[in-house]
Amino acid sequence: GEKVEQHQSTLSVREGDSAVINCTYTDTASSYFPWYKQEAGKSLHFVIDIRSNVDRKQSQRLTVLLDKKAKRFSLHITATQPEDSAIYFCAASIGNSAGNKLTFGIGTRVLVRP
Amino acid sequence: GGIITQTPKFLIGQEGQKLTLKCQQNFNHDTMYWYRQDSGKGLRLIYYSITENDLQKGDLSEGYDASREKKSSFSLTVTSAQKNEMAVFLCASSPGLGGGEQYFGPGTRLTVL
Repeated sequence: GEKVEQHQSTLSVREGDSAVINCTYTDTASSYFPWYKQEAGKSLHFVIDIRSNVDRKQSQRLTVLLDKKAKRFSLHITATQPEDSAIYFCAASIGNSAGNKLTFGIGTRVLVRP
Repeated sequence: GGIITQTPKFLIGQEGQKLTLKCQQNFNHDTMYWYRQDSGKGLRLIYYSITENDLQKGDLSEGYDASREKKSSFSLTVTSAQKNEMAVFLCASSPGLGGGEQYFGPGTRLTVL
């Protein structure tokens, strides 16, 4: 089955700098790649996603890049702010089947320091 | 907007005990999910259900049962709790087809003594 690897367990950046979180996946059939954020003591919430028909998607300070050839996708956060501190999870699924069964990475803890 | 509620918030059980966790959603979503979150292991899918009375096994279904008696509720049973087990169980829902955002509940934290 699908395996999603998230290569950094922690990432520390200075406020105002950019943060980049990288993930890889194994199943070439995967076509849907969401990102979720988990703030301290809270549950997950969706932040952005990308489908395999595009290689880039931006929403305000967040950009997702997808390299299907390398089976790699990444989340870029620009002009980081303290409220960006959280654990970020990448995930992948086939995306066109009922149920949207996601496989998650283990999470990257982002710390934005003053 | 909608909300997902999970009960109980904290669950303490004894080794070998059967324990049930409950989840309700008022989004009117078709699909519901149960995940287990362990520190350092991310989220792993236990069961999901694409409609009332449907059940599909995830990667971690052994040791669990699930039940989707109606569209708005999805329950998970730990059939025999393991000593020293500690995890957070997250329920989620989504409209269902073709990918799309999943909405997560606040979680049930399980401790087994």
